[in-house]
Amino acid sequence: DAGVTQSPTHLIKTRGQQVTLRCSPKSGHDTVSWYQQALGQGPQFIFQYYEEEERQRGNFPDRFSGHQFPNYSSELNVNALLLGDSALYLCASSRDRGNEKLFFGSGTQLSVL
Amino acid sequence: QKEVEQDPGPLSVPEGAIVSLNCTYSNSAFQYFMWYRQYSRKGPELLMYTYSSGNKEDGRFTAQVDKSSKYISLFIRDSQPSDSATYLCAMSAVSSASKIIFGSGTRLSIRP
Repeated sequence: DAGVTQSPTHLIKTRGQQVTLRCSPKSGHDTVSWYQQALGQGPQFIFQYYEEEERQRGNFPDRFSGHQFPNYSSELNVNALLLGDSALYLCASSRDRGNEKLFFGSGTQLSVL
Repeated sequence: QKEVEQDPGPLSVPEGAIVSLNCTYSNSAFQYFMWYRQYSRKGPELLMYTYSSGNKEDGRFTAQVDKSSKYISLFIRDSQPSDSATYLCAMSAVSSASKIIFGSGTRLSIRP
């Protein structure tokens, strides 16, 4: 049983560029959440997708947007990249109403130069 | 003030010791309490979860929640070098759409 898979594993971009990160949830899961983890910090909630809609959002600007597809996979898009966007981006999946049991992928390490 | 406070460590103990990791929180709406383990360059892995107050045991791990004090703990018995990792506490309110709030993590090292 494949767990949560994320691609790419590493990415280097320059300021002002746009980036798209991808996530496939664990089999049987229908809810995808995205988190940003800066070095030495805990993950910070970006947003959550369920039934192809953004269900809840954390304190992130509109430069961060996402999408969920009918097969439950998801994308995170970040526009107009800033140096401060450099972080590990984590995707987590769960069954709806099983929110406390998140399963995380290994993340995408984004470096903005 | 952060909603969830966690001592960042690092914490270094000898193999076989009992480890105590703790978090405090300020939001009384939190009902679900979790502990995640994160190895270097990996995503967090769920270790324990508890609902409301009380204790929960799973092998060498015991999670405790004291809602009256807004304080949660994770105890690791007979610690092993493979337990060396960053431990993150996490909490959420009662809602399937509720965002989970993480502590900043405690870096733990078990010396052989």
